[in-house]
Amino acid sequence: SQKIEQNSEALNIQEGKTATLTCNYTNYSPAYLQWYRQDPGRGPVFLLLIRENEKEKRKERLKVTFDTTLKQSLFHITASQPADSATYLCALGSGGYQKVTFGTGTKLQVIP
Amino acid sequence: GAVVSQHPSWVICKSGTSVKIECRSLDFQATTMFWYRQFPKQSLMLMATSNEGSKATYEQGVEKDKFLINHASLTLSTLTVTSAHPEDSSFYICSAIQGAGADTQYFGPGTRLTVL
Repeated sequence: SQKIEQNSEALNIQEGKTATLTCNYTNYSPAYLQWYRQDPGRGPVFLLLIRENEKEKRKERLKVTFDTTLKQSLFHITASQPADSATYLCALGSGGYQKVTFGTGTKLQVIP
Repeated sequence: GAVVSQHPSWVICKSGTSVKIECRSLDFQATTMFWYRQFPKQSLMLMATSNEGSKATYEQGVEKDKFLINHASLTLSTLTVTSAHPEDSSFYICSAIQGAGADTQYFGPGTRLTVL
């Protein structure tokens, strides 16, 4: 069955460092992968989308890589700030850019 | 732009009653809306896909007679939890996409349902 795993349930890093979150999947051939941010008691907010034929995508302090051979995506936040503290979810979709399957999420805590 | 609202933001009800949750796209027309459920410390689980003017498509294991979905217009979808029980207590979140082929889902703020 399809499985999406995010590296750890929680990740603590020092302010100013680069946070790296991992999303691994099995039994899945996604056409694209998305990253979302979710704050407590709120709905997810879309951050980035990367397609299967793209290796890397950047947006301001965010960078996403997508390795379909390793079946893995890495999500980087450079120069992290306490305001970046949240749960980050990866989501995989297969065609139609509609229905996606979410990973379990990683709770990031940036320590001042 | 691309704002999705949900109402109510939280609701407490007695076991056996029905609860309706509204999802609205405020500044765009949503051809498709999705309903998710999220339990504490777990990820979002897709319950159903709702297309305007047609019946919703439910995911495996989701009872369509218990979770009634209506998508009567391009800006409104409703989820009714019928005969709610304590195990239905959860965080319900909707999302909407703008047009076929759109690659981004816009999520509502969620509705916290507590069934006593």
